[in-house]
Amino acid sequence: IAGITQAPTSQILAAGRRMTLRCTQDMRHNAMYWYRQDLGLGLRLIHYSNTAGTTGKGEVPDGYSVSRANTDDFPLTLASAVPSQTSVYFCASSSSGSTGELFFGEGSRLTVL
Amino acid sequence: AQRVTQPEKLLSVFKGAPVELKCNYSYSGSPELFWYVQYSRQRLQLLLRHISRESIKGFTADLNKGETSFHLKKPFAQEEDSAMYYCALYAPGFQKLVFGTGTRLLVSP
Repeated sequence: IAGITQAPTSQILAAGRRMTLRCTQDMRHNAMYWYRQDLGLGLRLIHYSNTAGTTGKGEVPDGYSVSRANTDDFPLTLASAVPSQTSVYFCASSSSGSTGELFFGEGSRLTVL
Repeated sequence: AQRVTQPEKLLSVFKGAPVELKCNYSYSGSPELFWYVQYSRQRLQLLLRHISRESIKGFTADLNKGETSFHLKKPFAQEEDSAMYYCALYAPGFQKLVFGTGTRLLVSP
């Protein structure tokens, strides 16, 4: 593993199903983030974590939850997916000393039918 | 609240033409501004930041606090510059990076 790894790369999901997007980093970064990317809306922050054991809400947290049990992993869970959650999801991380410089994963394309 | 505005969704130019991607921000404190780029089928990556005042791949951006702008410029566009560009603001008090809606740059031969 080098950098940030997201899984799955792509997923089609039925509405109402539960889904967890996985994110793992090997850079020992303190902060991690989940963004969704939508055409015309850019990147919007869903949830973030400044350090292991803490999480916070971003701009569009409703319908999503996260956990940060350790430094490396930051999974994003959709408890009951809805079609409006169709998007490309990006995980990112940053070290505490590099404010604003984020390292991104390759993204997870989620389609909710 | 902090906000980043990129008024152009699409900017189409010919190879060799000058390029300016506009970015305006609103933030009451002293922000840190960034430009990120996403090339086709690649992950989003940092292009440059205002603090470093450097030129990356021929691109420069100057922070204008009076106009609250951070426009990205390149004197001679290349086809390989075609990508999605995001302006972003880091507000130290909030410890989060806020992105604009992005501008797709298309450089034609």
